[in-house]
Amino acid sequence: GEEVAQTPKHLVRGEGQKAKLYCAPIKGHSYVFWYQQVLKNEFKFLISFQNENVFDETGMPKERFSAKCLPNSPCSLEIQATKLEDSAVYFCASSQSVVTDTQYFGPGTRLTVL
Amino acid sequence: KQEVTQIPAALSVPEGENLVLNCSFTDSAIYNLQWFRQDPGKGLTSLLLIQSSQREQTSGRLNASLDKSSGRSTLYIAASQPGDSATYLCAVCLYNTDKLIFGTGTRLQVFP
Repeated sequence: GEEVAQTPKHLVRGEGQKAKLYCAPIKGHSYVFWYQQVLKNEFKFLISFQNENVFDETGMPKERFSAKCLPNSPCSLEIQATKLEDSAVYFCASSQSVVTDTQYFGPGTRLTVL
Repeated sequence: KQEVTQIPAALSVPEGENLVLNCSFTDSAIYNLQWFRQDPGKGLTSLLLIQSSQREQTSGRLNASLDKSSGRSTLYIAASQPGDSATYLCAVCLYNTDKLIFGTGTRLQVFP
């Protein structure tokens, strides 16, 4: 597709429950990125993939967060045992090249942890 | 550690004014700098991308400049319109990584 698609739009979980978010990158894009927007304008990088391989995971809280990009499937970001502070909008982005191409962002998934 | 700052944090102007939004970054080892707009409750829309070797990029009423040595970029919006109202974010792509480091944003309101 020509746009990055993210599902679901909204997700509500009780503290301690699992949350799974999905992202379909633009067809032909090799790179996929996940960002977390906690406050209105604070974007935090989480993880990136080059095809199905993790490219950079320096932003991931590894004890509860995991992510995958498998061939012929949407990419996913999973949070085990959600905490209140995980409430945020999670954005997925994709690009053809890290250096020369802009990152195209999806509409985001709003996660609310109660 | 790369820090990206934007000023002003908020701006409210009448329609028709020419605007300058500022972005500064602390580490000049970047691949590129990108400007985005974010409408309330929406994702990011890419506006302009400036490679580290470039000085400026233009798209319609938007012009972005980059001075890597001083760690600054400006986004110039000509003849502002109410439809320009949004939050504008700059982001730098760090050299040898791929992650975008975002600025704090400028919330722009253009009133008729």
